[in-house]
Amino acid sequence: QKEVEQNSGPLSVPEGAIASLNCTYSDRGSQSFFWYRQYSGKSPELIMSIYSNGDKEDGRFTAQLNKASQYVSLLIRDSQPSDSATYLCAQKGGDSNYQLIWGAGTKLIIKP
Amino acid sequence: DGGITQSPKYLFRKEGQNVTLSCEQNLNHDAMYWYRQDPGQGLRLIYYSQIVNDFQKGDIAEGYSVSREKKESFPLTVTSAQKNPTAFYLCASSGGTSGYNEQFFGPGTRLTVL
Repeated sequence: QKEVEQNSGPLSVPEGAIASLNCTYSDRGSQSFFWYRQYSGKSPELIMSIYSNGDKEDGRFTAQLNKASQYVSLLIRDSQPSDSATYLCAQKGGDSNYQLIWGAGTKLIIKP
Repeated sequence: DGGITQSPKYLFRKEGQNVTLSCEQNLNHDAMYWYRQDPGQGLRLIYYSQIVNDFQKGDIAEGYSVSREKKESFPLTVTSAQKNPTAFYLCASSGGTSGYNEQFFGPGTRLTVL
């Protein structure tokens, strides 16, 4: 069973600090990962994609992929209250060009 | 503006009724998906379609049906056979041309059984 696992949280981080969200995966067949942000009552929004080992930065967000240890991380620098949301990690299915394997999400709370 | 629309935003169903949720996209994406999300839970795949006139069951297809007669449209019918349909339903699409399968979501339909 191919799985993507996330700690459900909530993860509480002070405003201005770095929030670190983690995701582990079991399927080594695909190295394409996506981070989505979902505000309460809203649909998921794609915020980062990473396709190769290492770091990818976009503004305050950095995605990190470690193939050897089979984990993906999302770092949010200078956390703002508006970053409070549930963050979903997804992996492109190794045997499918179309399906994603979804984690259950981590709830992040930024405390002012 | 390119995007995905879903209607209605809220839907109430009586026991024994079939209801149809609409999903339309103007992103020229080949693939479309339907997910169900229950409170505090992740996304579960109901059906997906890679091309017109073809679709595949996901993990929880029982009690649901779909059609894909046009590239832009992928309606979902929740039948009376679905015993616990109250949930948040999300439609998504992906272009496939990048090979990375980023999925983009509509705003969702919240279905409640009365």
